[in-house]
Amino acid sequence: SQKIEQNSEALNIQEGKTATLTCNYTNYSPAYLQWYRQDPGRGPVFLLLIRENEKEKRKERLKVTFDTTLKQSLFHITASQPADSATYLCALSNTNAGKSTFGDGTTLTVKP
Amino acid sequence: SQTIHQWPATLVQPVGSPLSLECTVEGTSNPNLYWYRQAAGRGLQLLFYSVGIGQISSEVPQNLSASRPQDRQFILSSKKLLLSDSGFYLCAWALPGGGLQPQHFGDGTRLSIL
Repeated sequence: SQKIEQNSEALNIQEGKTATLTCNYTNYSPAYLQWYRQDPGRGPVFLLLIRENEKEKRKERLKVTFDTTLKQSLFHITASQPADSATYLCALSNTNAGKSTFGDGTTLTVKP
Repeated sequence: SQTIHQWPATLVQPVGSPLSLECTVEGTSNPNLYWYRQAAGRGLQLLFYSVGIGQISSEVPQNLSASRPQDRQFILSSKKLLLSDSGFYLCAWALPGGGLQPQHFGDGTRLSIL
């Protein structure tokens, strides 16, 4: 069955550093990979989408890579700020009715 | 602009009682609609999705059902709640277009079963 693994431990970094979050998957060939941010008690908010034929996508301080050979996506936040503290979820999907499979998320804490 | 409304924000129900959670979307037509459940510290488990009025696909066998009586209304129901139905329920919408379209989530309902 499909399986998605994100950083098993919470990630704590110092303000100004680059945060790198990992999303690994097995038994799946996704056409798209999305990253979401979720704050406590709130619904996830979409951040970035990357297609299977794209290696890298950027948006402001965010960068996502997608390696279909390694079956892995990396999510980078550069010049991190305390306001970036949240849980980040990756989601894989293909063309079937927009169904996505979500990972369990990685909780990032950026300390001032 | 599009908005999604989900209510109530919190709900405490006794075991065996019925449930009805409602989700409405504004500012778009014919969206795909989704119900998810999230356990504490976990990812989102897809419960139901709908690509049109009256069209419901169930992803996980369970004590819950969903209905889409109108284009932008999605309802999650149960006739008799179980303790295991506790959790954080999220509704989401997306434009048709498969996985290329991001999902937009409501702020969820925290359901506690006593």
